[in-house]
Amino acid sequence: AQKVTQAQTEISVVEKEDVTLDCVYETRDTTYYLFWYKQPPSGELVFLIRRNSFDEQNEISGRYSWNFQKSTSSFNFTITASQVVDSAVYFCALSELADSWGKLQFGAGTQVVVTP
Amino acid sequence: SAVISQKPSRDICQRGTSLTIQCQVDSQVTMMFWYRQQPGQSLTLIATANQGSEATYESGFVIDKFPISRPNLTFSTLTVSNMSPEDSSIYLCSAAVGTGELFFGEGSRLTVL
Repeated sequence: AQKVTQAQTEISVVEKEDVTLDCVYETRDTTYYLFWYKQPPSGELVFLIRRNSFDEQNEISGRYSWNFQKSTSSFNFTITASQVVDSAVYFCALSELADSWGKLQFGAGTQVVVTP
Repeated sequence: SAVISQKPSRDICQRGTSLTIQCQVDSQVTMMFWYRQQPGQSLTLIATANQGSEATYESGFVIDKFPISRPNLTFSTLTVSNMSPEDSSIYLCSAAVGTGELFFGEGSRLTVL
């Protein structure tokens, strides 16, 4: 069963618009970690954030912000004032304590296209 | 953070041959992993590379097809054996560092003809 769902296949925005990427996860563990990665056209995976299940505080890093809601099993990611360089595929991933640390289950990814 | 280097970055191979991908981390890490990303798809974990012992494979992946070595805490190899066009993918090495972050190499893009 899919444990990480990114329902949005592709989102297209015009530069300076905000874009929110949805991520819904499923786990029975009480301790788990959630991640976001960016994969630009060059192909490398860029680590953006790791959040553990006990820390529901939202986080902001520059133009990036994350909204973690355990009640709805969601870990959404917002890019504010998008730029062309934000064009990439963004992956949400889950690591469960039942698995060894570092084993990630990835969502299908959301392609973000930012046009000038 | 950790810098992870993979070689080769890309290769074109003939059906039936084997290719070994190398992964070097710039610091000692406890855990290393190999993932596969098929064209247009998400990432799937192949195996955990265990230092000094046999790798732990995920369902659907077997040692005969994807033998893995990890001779020390900074290096691992993945071999894709007896390749077929279905093996055309990006293969990514990752390492878990003490800060709780999981970093990835730049990937090895493999095309099998």
